[in-house]
Amino acid sequence: DAGVTQSPTHLIKTRGQQVTLRCSPISGHKSVSWYQQVLGQGPQFIFQYYEKEERGRGNFPDRFSARQFPNYSSELNVNALLLGDSALYLCASSPGQTYGYTFGSGTRLTVV
Amino acid sequence: GENVEQHPSTLSVQEGDSAVIKCTYSDSASNYFPWYKQELGKRPQLIIDIRSNVGEKKDQRIAVTLNKTAKHFSLHITETQPEDSAVYFCAALGERGSTLGRLYFGRGTQLTVWP
Repeated sequence: DAGVTQSPTHLIKTRGQQVTLRCSPISGHKSVSWYQQVLGQGPQFIFQYYEKEERGRGNFPDRFSARQFPNYSSELNVNALLLGDSALYLCASSPGQTYGYTFGSGTRLTVV
Repeated sequence: GENVEQHPSTLSVQEGDSAVIKCTYSDSASNYFPWYKQELGKRPQLIIDIRSNVGEKKDQRIAVTLNKTAKHFSLHITETQPEDSAVYFCAALGERGSTLGRLYFGRGTQLTVWP
């Protein structure tokens, strides 16, 4: 049984560019959440999608957007990249909104 | 929203000793508290969790205790082994309003177990 899969695993982008990160949840899980983890800190909540609707948004600028598809996979988009966006982006899937969160291996984004 | 504080930030123990990591949270509505272990370059892995209807939960060498009145919870690792070396994160799950479904993480504890 596959876990949470994220792609790509690593990415290098230039300031001002745009990036799309992808996440496939565990089969049967309907909730996908995105977290940003800066080196040396705990993950910070960005978005949660449940049943294809946005259910929460953290304190991130409008440059960050996301969506969930009918098959419950999700994409995170970041526009106008800044150096400070360099981080590990983690996707977590869960059966519902309030339990059972499993993290993917993340996408390491480096902005130069 | 919820605020989670975690201590200590670093912890070094001798193999076989016990390790304790403590966390406090601010929102009394929080009812679910997971602990994650993150090895260098890898994803956070859930190692144990507790809900507020219990005060303690054990899984082999790992235990978590919860004091809802004081709003703190702790991770206890007994008979530590070098492979326990990692960063450990505590978290609290938001349960109401705009916090619903969000995990609020502590800043992490770097545990080093010396052979």
